[in-house]
Amino acid sequence: SQTIHQWPATLVQPVGSPLSLECTVEGTSNPNLYWYRQAAGRGLQLLFYSVGIGQISSEVPQNLSASRPQDRQFILSSKKLLLSDSGFYLCAWSVGGPLGEQFFGPGTRLTVL
Amino acid sequence: DAKTTQPPSMDCAEGRAANLPCNHSTISGNEYVYWYRQIHSQGPQYIIHGLKNNETNEMASLIITEDRKSSTLILPHATLRDTAVYYCIVRSGSNDYKLSFGAGTTVTVRA
Repeated sequence: SQTIHQWPATLVQPVGSPLSLECTVEGTSNPNLYWYRQAAGRGLQLLFYSVGIGQISSEVPQNLSASRPQDRQFILSSKKLLLSDSGFYLCAWSVGGPLGEQFFGPGTRLTVL
Repeated sequence: DAKTTQPPSMDCAEGRAANLPCNHSTISGNEYVYWYRQIHSQGPQYIIHGLKNNETNEMASLIITEDRKSSTLILPHATLRDTAVYYCIVRSGSNDYKLSFGAGTTVTVRA
């Protein structure tokens, strides 16, 4: 069966510090991978998605970036965090075309102070 | 640019059916209706989706009106664990990988 892992579960970082969140998927090949963010009191917003290694599509311009170094690994990064980067970051995966069901990970709660 | 409209909240008695409405009056012919839910502090969970016909699975039933301008998600026997935010999402069959989550409906199941 397929599983998705995210770490860390919670993170507190100072403004201006770098960020690296990791997501890995097990039990499937060539998944589509997604990063979403949910700011406090707001809905989920798609940040990035990837349909293959090295292929990254950005939905929202910001100081975050994503990379996919391996088939089942998706990394969200920032060189300098802003207060507005605080939120609940969720990784998800799907297979097949755009309409495939997306399966979400447990999330990382990031607080930028 | 909201494609769906849902009531902000609703209560439901445990053991009774919960009927969650969603309006999508501007839906086009190749767009599907998807439902996800998010239990507090967890990632969203897929429930069901449909295009024209009514659909049923082990979690819920989806009733889509004939003109496709609205739909209803039915949880047949709500339990306390069904307390969550429920999202109705319209998705195109074209190259659109994004799930556009609105505010959803906060459903509270009461004992």
